[in-house]
Order: sequence, then C-alpha cells, then structure tokens
Amino acid sequence: DIQMTQSPSSLSASVGDRVTITCRASQSINNYLTWYQQKPGKAPKLLIYGASSLQSGVPSRFSGSGSGTDFTLTISSLQPEDFATYYCQQSYSTPLTFGGGTKVEIK
Amino acid sequence: QVQLQESGPGLVKPSGTLSLTCAVSGGSISSYNWWTWVRQPPGKGLEWIGEIYHSGSSNYNPSLRSRLTISVDKSKNQFSLKLSSVTAADTAVYYCARRAMTMVRGSWFDTWGQGTLVTVSS
Repeated sequence: DIQMTQSPSSLSASVGDRVTITCRASQSINNYLTWYQQKPGKAPKLLIYGASSLQSGVPSRFSGSGSGTDFTLTISSLQPEDFATYYCQQSYSTPLTFGGGTKVEIK
Repeated sequence: QVQLQESGPGLVKPSGTLSLTCAVSGGSISSYNWWTWVRQPPGKGLEWIGEIYHSGSSNYNPSLRSRLTISVDKSKNQFSLKLSSVTAADTAVYYCARRAMTMVRGSWFDTWGQGTLVTVSS
C-alpha cells in the first residue's frame, strides 16, 4: 500500500496568513494526488485534483503543486471559512489511501 | 448534477452485517466512473473501503476484503455495501462517493453523499 504522510497534523493561523500543508507519498505517484477540505459534520469537498488543478468553484487562493512523492497545498490568504481539516489522497494504485489530515485552527 | 444518498440502519449488533445502499440521482450509474465507499471513525481520518464499476468489476481494501461485498443494481441506479462480522472498530460515518476517472490526471472523488453514522453496539 502507498502511505500518505501529511504535515503538520495541525496548525494555528490567523485570517490573512499564508498557509502551506505538505503531503508525502511512500513511492512515486506521478501527479495522481487530490486535496479535500472537510468541515465538522460534513462530507469532504474536492479542492485540487491532478496535484495542481483547481476544481470548479473553488477560490483561487487555493493552489496545489508537486509531483512524484512530494506535494503541497497552499492557501494564499486564509479566510474565516477555510478553517477546516484538509486531506490528501493518492489515486495511483489501489488501495486508494488518504493522508492523516491537517486541522487548520484559528490562532 | 449527480447527487448521492446513503441509507441503511444506524445501529448494528456486534458480529452482525452492516448493510448500506447509495442511491444515485441526476445521472446514470453506468457512466465512466467508479462508485466508492469511504468511512471515517469518529474523530479520525478517512479510509477507502472499496468500489464498483457498473459492469460489476470491483476493488476492495485488502484490510476488509474477507468481510466485504459491494454490488451494483443498474435498474435502480444504486450500489450497496455489505460488511460482515462487524465489531466496534467498524463504527464510523460511511460515505458513498463517485470517483471520476481520467486518462492523464488520475482520478478523484468529485461527488459525495452526506454520510451516515453506523454504530456497532449491542
């Protein structure tokens, strides 16, 4: 199985801050990396697919980069509605696997 | 716009079988997608359970394979999950999701159901 490791597991940030979350795969997954946002009591929401493509309707302050084993999700200017948990997920091979999540909290 | 809705018992006894159905509306289950189950134990992360294609082909998480059956009913535009011999460790919110496929960029879960909490308890 491909292991996905996210860091940090949690962070505190203020509105307007630039936030970066990293995700590392245990082997190369090309660009088969997706980012999701999840708020309490809600289903995950697709943010970024193919490592860097922004899903329709997602604000442009979200961006993704990386290829191979190392990936990042960046929020350029954190907004109040962005406080949530973020997950990466690989689709290179089954079993599909998720990172452990990064909880973004208000400082 | 495709929508997914899970249904099934919210309480299952230990050693019993957990059964859920996901109804697909606004689109055909026979489209170029995999239909997937994902679960999330309370306060924990996401786990891929398995998936099925409209042809009946399936992929299962090896950690659950011996207890798992995923099936599709094209006539009802729905797919189902059965997990046998459940324990408290199977208590989770269960989501159904659509895995959209591409040839170049991989695949991703672009549509999710709202999720349903299943508790395993006597």
